[in-house]
Amino acid sequence: AQSVTQLDSHVSVSEGTPVLLRCNYSSSYSPSLFWYVQHPNKGLQLLLKYTSAATLVKGINGFEAEFKKSETSFHLTKPSAHMSDAAEYFCVVSLWGFQKLVFGTGTRLLVSP
Amino acid sequence: GAVVSQHPSWVICKSGTSVKIECRSLDFQATTMFWYRQFPKQSLMLMATSNEGSKATYEQGVEKDKFLINHASLTLSTLTVTSAHPEDSSFYICSARPPGRDLYNEQFFGPGTRLTVL
Repeated sequence: AQSVTQLDSHVSVSEGTPVLLRCNYSSSYSPSLFWYVQHPNKGLQLLLKYTSAATLVKGINGFEAEFKKSETSFHLTKPSAHMSDAAEYFCVVSLWGFQKLVFGTGTRLLVSP
Repeated sequence: GAVVSQHPSWVICKSGTSVKIECRSLDFQATTMFWYRQFPKQSLMLMATSNEGSKATYEQGVEKDKFLINHASLTLSTLTVTSAHPEDSSFYICSARPPGRDLYNEQFFGPGTRLTVL
C-alpha cells in the first residue's frame, strides 16, 4: 500500500529565512510525487512534481524538492520565505498507472514579518 | 493552461434539499475527473472517480445514492448532494486529469465549493 507522511503539522519561519517542509512516502513501486499548495478557502495549486526524471525538481515560486529513494523522502524547500507563502502544503503520492492520489495530512506554513 | 472551474463557489441550503455542484475543465478535455471532500483543517479525501460516459467509481464508505455523480461530457462533471443534512456541510473540490497524464496521474484542481446545510 502507498502512503505519505508529513512530519510537521505546522512550520513557522520568518520572512527571508529558508523553508523546509518534510514528507516521507511509502510505496512498493516507483511513485509519482507531488507538492500542492492551498491558500485559505481555495483549491489546490501544483507546486512541483516528480515523475522519475531528475531527482531534484524545481517548481514555481522558487520552491524545489529532492526525491531521495534511499530515505523515501521528498522534502520541499525554498531558500527565502515570503509572506505570500503562508498556506497549507500537501505532499501527494500516486502509484504509476493507478487512478488515486494519496494525500498527506498537510503542513501549515506560517510566515512572520 | 489546465484550468478547472467549479460552480458555485459557495452554497447554503436547507436540510432535505438537493444541491448540484459543477466542475468544468476549461481548456482541455478530461475523460477522468475526481471529487474530493475536505473537512476543516484536514486533508482531502477522495469520494469518487468520474469517467466520461460511464458510472462513477465510489470510494468505500461513500453513499452512491447521496452523492450522485454525472460525467456527461468531456469537460463537465456534476456532483449532486441529495437530501442534504448538516453533516454534509463541507468543502468539495473537484479535479481533472488532462490527456496524456494518466501514467503520472497528474491532476488539476478546481477552486472548491463550500457547502453549508442549515
